[in-house]
Amino acid sequence: QKEVEQNSGPLSVPEGAIASLNCTYSDRGSQSFFWYRQYSGKSPELIMFIYSNGDKEDGRFTAQLNKASQYVSLLIRDSQPSDSATYLCAFFSGNTGKLIFGQGTTLQVKP
Amino acid sequence: DAMVIQNPRYQVTQFGKPVTLSCSQTLNHNVMYWYQQKSSQAPKLLFHYYDKDFNNEADTPDNFQSRRPNTSFCFLDIRSPGLGDAAMYLCATSNPGGNVNEQYFGPGTRLTVT
Repeated sequence: QKEVEQNSGPLSVPEGAIASLNCTYSDRGSQSFFWYRQYSGKSPELIMFIYSNGDKEDGRFTAQLNKASQYVSLLIRDSQPSDSATYLCAFFSGNTGKLIFGQGTTLQVKP
Repeated sequence: DAMVIQNPRYQVTQFGKPVTLSCSQTLNHNVMYWYQQKSSQAPKLLFHYYDKDFNNEADTPDNFQSRRPNTSFCFLDIRSPGLGDAAMYLCATSNPGGNVNEQYFGPGTRLTVT
């Protein structure tokens, strides 16, 4: 089992819709979770982090964490073509002191 | 603005010719990381410095070395680049503590090996 699992996509949504990106992880000791956005040819950009169960909202973005089920998700409301990118899920492993990345989900927002 | 800077943004080197990539930060973070990222793959951690303490990943080839002369700067040296080393090299920093250990990435250096 991979440490972080993400559907590689592409996930295609129409402009204005809600995009839902999901991620599962295997390390129950993980404390903090991150969503990075990466445009093609660019470096990852941190857009959200969450460490408590429940929802965390920041503008059009909502991160959801469920530690019991070991999943974290990112909702993007009112999706825009500029949201088209690869979204990397990551968690901080207390065991190794490292950030563990998923393979990323490619999101396409169609006008 | 506080940031992570990488130079150069694009680097072309010849097979076997040593190359050095540079990273600097104005965030005053304790930890600096080097990642390698190939197309459609997750970033792969090569090594990191916690202050002056160097931590190498077990599967990082000996061909890759790093130096951190001070808090602000960190270098990645590739002693004899091979074609398989062509990738995006990402520098990141963090300031561990509390519940969150977020890492901030620089813009990356795209390395081409000819």
